[in-house]
Amino acid sequence: NAGVTQTPKFRVLKTGQSMTLLCAQDMNHEYMYWYRQDPGMGLRLIHYSVGEGTTAKGEVPDGYNVSRLKKQNFLLGLESAAPSQTSVYFCASRNGWAGELFFGEGSRLTVL
Amino acid sequence: RKEVEQDPGPFNVPEGATVAFNCTYSNSASQSFFWYRQDCRKEPKLLMSVYSSGNEDGRFTAQLNRASQYISLLIRDSKLSDSATYLCVVNYNFNKFYFGSGTKLNVKP
Repeated sequence: NAGVTQTPKFRVLKTGQSMTLLCAQDMNHEYMYWYRQDPGMGLRLIHYSVGEGTTAKGEVPDGYNVSRLKKQNFLLGLESAAPSQTSVYFCASRNGWAGELFFGEGSRLTVL
Repeated sequence: RKEVEQDPGPFNVPEGATVAFNCTYSNSASQSFFWYRQDCRKEPKLLMSVYSSGNEDGRFTAQLNRASQYISLLIRDSKLSDSATYLCVVNYNFNKFYFGSGTKLNVKP
């Protein structure tokens, strides 16, 4: 039972580099989310998607872009990484507006 | 002001103790409420939803007070395996989930 899978699990970047985090879910969920978690701050929503081909901004979208070309995949891109983007990134999905959030294992990103 | 506020703890309790966490939220239009558990360096996982009438799941009891805008979680007969961070989560506007920063619980032998 894979659930929500994130790749890569760990990554170190230099300032200015770009990268993409991939989130894949096999539960046929409509809604997918990208959060970041920093010490002392709750999970904060970066972007989300309510279905294939749709995306929307969350609380902290600046510096990130997303795409949902296939229902099962939600990609988070950093075009020009900054040290402030050092964080743990969690992808989540849910089925319907009342469903619980299922999280991936997280991706730890360090930007030097 | 944060949307959801929790006491960060840590709460250090002996095995068998009863411990309670509170959480306050700022938006009176909030629609649904949850407690998630997060183990160290792991992803959050749903512990229980919180209903207006209160609900219980084994040793865990959740309460909601809409008038005062707070949510509580009571853990009875604490086990070592209960050691974790407990996240209060509030949802409104259907797609917006707001997470507290978490309350850390350490259960000692």
